[in-house]
Amino acid sequence: DAKTTQPPSMDCAEGRAANLPCNHSTISGNEYVYWYRQIHSQGPQYIIHGLKNNETNEMASLIITEDRKSSTLILPHATLRDTAVYYCIVRVWSTDKLIFGTGTRLQVFP
Amino acid sequence: DAGVIQSPRHEVTEMGQEVTLRCKPISGHNSLFWYRQTMMRGLELLIYFNNNVPIDDSGMPEDRFSAKMPNASFSTLKIQPSEPRDSAVYFCASSLSTGMNTEAFFGQGTRLTVV
Repeated sequence: DAKTTQPPSMDCAEGRAANLPCNHSTISGNEYVYWYRQIHSQGPQYIIHGLKNNETNEMASLIITEDRKSSTLILPHATLRDTAVYYCIVRVWSTDKLIFGTGTRLQVFP
Repeated sequence: DAGVIQSPRHEVTEMGQEVTLRCKPISGHNSLFWYRQTMMRGLELLIYFNNNVPIDDSGMPEDRFSAKMPNASFSTLKIQPSEPRDSAVYFCASSLSTGMNTEAFFGQGTRLTVV
């Protein structure tokens, strides 16, 4: 599986957009980009995933660059409850394995 | 559905004792995962099953760890004998494997402390 690189931590003001970057420069054509988050002491929670097109759901938007070597998770209006560790993962479509990296710790402040 | 159910939520045991962690996946899901989380190593995939069959156990740390899935609604992770370095939060997750998507749902975890 391709490796991902994320900043260890980020801050965001409540109500503002949180943009979390992820580098996956060695991604292969059959690998999906997944985002999960983990709120303190809870199990990880699925957010969104994509292959090459931008995706949006009720939680977030995922922007994948044209060369697919990086992506950005966007939380359009961050709230205090969005404070969590966010994981960017790449997964080969033919396997169910999700390999978590170290993630980005997002702190949303009032 | 109540989600993925893990038991116990907390377990404290003495070194050398056998520990069994339990997981009930979401009904209808055909893939099940066991993860371990520590401060030092983060979230590690230990083993995953598909249709009750172990597919990849390369993350199982050593022979002291074993996992079973006797049917689609139950799985166990056993540590025998337990050691202090096994102290961690153990998560179970399940998903409906379709190839195109793996939205895994995680349980609340079992916090294991080996003293």
